[in-house]
Amino acid sequence: EAQVTQNPRYLITVTGKKLTVTCSQNMNHEYMSWYRQDPGLGLRQIYYSMNVEVTDKGDVPEGYKVSRKEKRNFPLILESPSPNQTSLYFCASSSRLAGHPQYFGPGTRLTVT
Amino acid sequence: GQQVMQIPQYQHVQEGEDFTTYCNSSTTLSNIQWYKQRPGGHPVFLIQLVKSGEVKKQKRLTFQFGEAKKNSSLHITATQTTDVGTYFCAGPEYGNKLVFGAGTILRVKS
Repeated sequence: EAQVTQNPRYLITVTGKKLTVTCSQNMNHEYMSWYRQDPGLGLRQIYYSMNVEVTDKGDVPEGYKVSRKEKRNFPLILESPSPNQTSLYFCASSSRLAGHPQYFGPGTRLTVT
Repeated sequence: GQQVMQIPQYQHVQEGEDFTTYCNSSTTLSNIQWYKQRPGGHPVFLIQLVKSGEVKKQKRLTFQFGEAKKNSSLHITATQTTDVGTYFCAGPEYGNKLVFGAGTILRVKS
């Protein structure tokens, strides 16, 4: 089954404790991205990757890191999480660039206390 | 950067009534995409419009792309409880970034 998976689905952590949210897709997609969703603000792009070893900043990259060492995986790293990073995070992939339909993962709800 | 505005933010309709959400971009779009997110779920792709003035239908849903390719609308005829959720439009910026509208939350009273 074609899908995007994310782990963990729920995470409660404390300020400053490094964490990684994994994302994996099995559709051989080139384009992957991370979004955060906050009430009233819609989906805001954090980082995106157009292929292996090619990443770029989205609209809200501060406080986040990503890597794309393999085509299927695109982890999101929070080196020192802060409460303002409490949000719902989605990973997405598409066959080519942003102008193509995005397939979203199930989401990760992160709470930073 | 590109901005995508979506209105209304929220709409509560009686089952059977029609519903429309509007999307306006600050720049001309190469295409526009629409997504639906059910409560507690993730966004799911509905449709993509590419041509100026394009109109596409999916059962009770009608999607339009403006002549200037800066605005779009989604119209649902005779809403049902299964239509509840948040509807997002999104447009690519410079082909690489995807900018989403804030979404319209639809609630349907049965």
